[in-house]
Amino acid sequence: AQSVSQHNHHVILSEAASLELGCNYSYGGTVNLFWYVQYPGQHLQLLLKYFSGDPLVKGIKGFEAEFIKSKFSFNLRKPSVQWSDTAEYFCALQSGGSYIPTFGRGTSLIVHP
Amino acid sequence: EADIYQTPRYLVIGTGKKITLECSQTMGHDKMYWYQQDPGMELHLIHYSYGVNSTEKGDLSSESTVSRIRTEHFPLTLESARPSHTSQYLCASSPRSGSSYNEQFFGPGTRLTVL
Repeated sequence: AQSVSQHNHHVILSEAASLELGCNYSYGGTVNLFWYVQYPGQHLQLLLKYFSGDPLVKGIKGFEAEFIKSKFSFNLRKPSVQWSDTAEYFCALQSGGSYIPTFGRGTSLIVHP
Repeated sequence: EADIYQTPRYLVIGTGKKITLECSQTMGHDKMYWYQQDPGMELHLIHYSYGVNSTEKGDLSSESTVSRIRTEHFPLTLESARPSHTSQYLCASSPRSGSSYNEQFFGPGTRLTVL
C-alpha cells in the first residue's frame, strides 16, 4: 500500500526565513506528486505538482519542490516566507495510472510578521 | 477559484437523523470524491465516482452512501448520524484529461457536528 509521511506537523517561522517542508512516500512504481495548500478560511488548492520530466517543479507564490526518486522525497521549499504563507500544507501521492490520491497529515505553518 | 460548491457549510444535528450533504461542480469533471478531514490528520477518502452511475467506496465509507445521477452533482447521505461522524467533509473533482489532469479541485467543505 502507498503512504505519505509529513514529518513536520507544526512549523513556526519569522518573515523572510527560508522554508523546507518534508514529504516522503512509499511506493515502488511511477508516481505523481502534489502539494496542496489551505489558507485560513479558504478551499484546499493546488500549489504545485510533479508528473514527469524536470524533478524541480515551480508552483504559485514562489514555492518549489524537488522530486528525489532515490530518497522517495518531494520536499517543498521557499527561500523567503511571508506572513501570507500561513496555512496548512498537504503532500499527496497518486501512483501511476490511479485516480485515487493518498494525502499526508499536513503541516501547519505559522509565519510571524 | 474552483467552481465547486458544497451545502450546507455548517450543520448541527441530533443522533439518528438522516442527512444529505450536497456537492456540485460546474467544470464538467468526470471524477468526484468525498473526503473526511479532521485536524492534524490525513484526508480520508469516503467515496469516489469516475462518472455518471459510477460510485465506489473509499477506505472510510463510514455508513454513508453517494449517488451520481448527473455529472455535476455528487451528494453524500448519512442514513443515521452518530457523534463519531462529527468532522469536516470535503468534496473534490478532477478532470480526466488536459493540463489539470489528476489535479483535485476542492469545495469549501461542510462542518458537521452530531450531538
